[in-house]
Amino acid sequence: QVQLQESGPGLVKPSQTLSLTCTVSGGSISSGDHYWSWIRQPPGKGLEWIGYIYYSGSTYYKPSLKSRVSISVDRSKNQFSLKLSSVTAADTAVYYCARSDYYYDRSGRYVRISDFDYWGQGTLVTVSS
Amino acid sequence: QSVLTQPPSASGTPGQRVTISCSGGSSNTGTYYVSWFQQLPGTAPKLLIYRNNQRPSGVPDRFSGSKSGTSASLAISGLRSEDEADYYCAAWDDSLGGPAFGGGTKLTVL
Repeated sequence: QVQLQESGPGLVKPSQTLSLTCTVSGGSISSGDHYWSWIRQPPGKGLEWIGYIYYSGSTYYKPSLKSRVSISVDRSKNQFSLKLSSVTAADTAVYYCARSDYYYDRSGRYVRISDFDYWGQGTLVTVSS
Repeated sequence: QSVLTQPPSASGTPGQRVTISCSGGSSNTGTYYVSWFQQLPGTAPKLLIYRNNQRPSGVPDRFSGSKSGTSASLAISGLRSEDEADYYCAAWDDSLGGPAFGGGTKLTVL
């Protein structure tokens, strides 16, 4: 059974960098069968996809967050990580890591995802001084 | 404001059939697969439907998905009290440049 577990500080000061790690067990990131994403949910609000990474290190970020986001993978530890810089109170949210299947668009060139089949339990990150 | 529009709330009585809609456009639901998620209070979302109408193993067949044009629907038959949760649709959106989620529908079992 695949399991994902987020870890990292629960409190980050404004203007600093939020750093989280997702540890995957019961499955290998290196298999190349899935993409690995970060998704967040502000308290009482809906879900927002942040970005994904493939085992090769290839990444794709939500354009509106791209300037502040970095996702990396450590295949030896079966982990992937999120860094979000210059945080403000608007970045306060429960952060989830998730696995997804993938398919290609009509051109056959570009990866598309939305089937997030395994999720971590989520970790609340509060941005406050 | 999400590019995928869901009703904020829905309700039904035990045993009833309810449907939740997800309306989008040509840049998302009209072109790409739709997924549905169930989020019980205080827990992570759970995949209910993928690729418009496919159920992962372990999801009861009371849950079904469909898509027509730019709109998708989640149907829950034989409604049970434990179905009370928030439901989200999702699809890739070309304008957003990533997967978009609907705003969520809170289902109440009366």
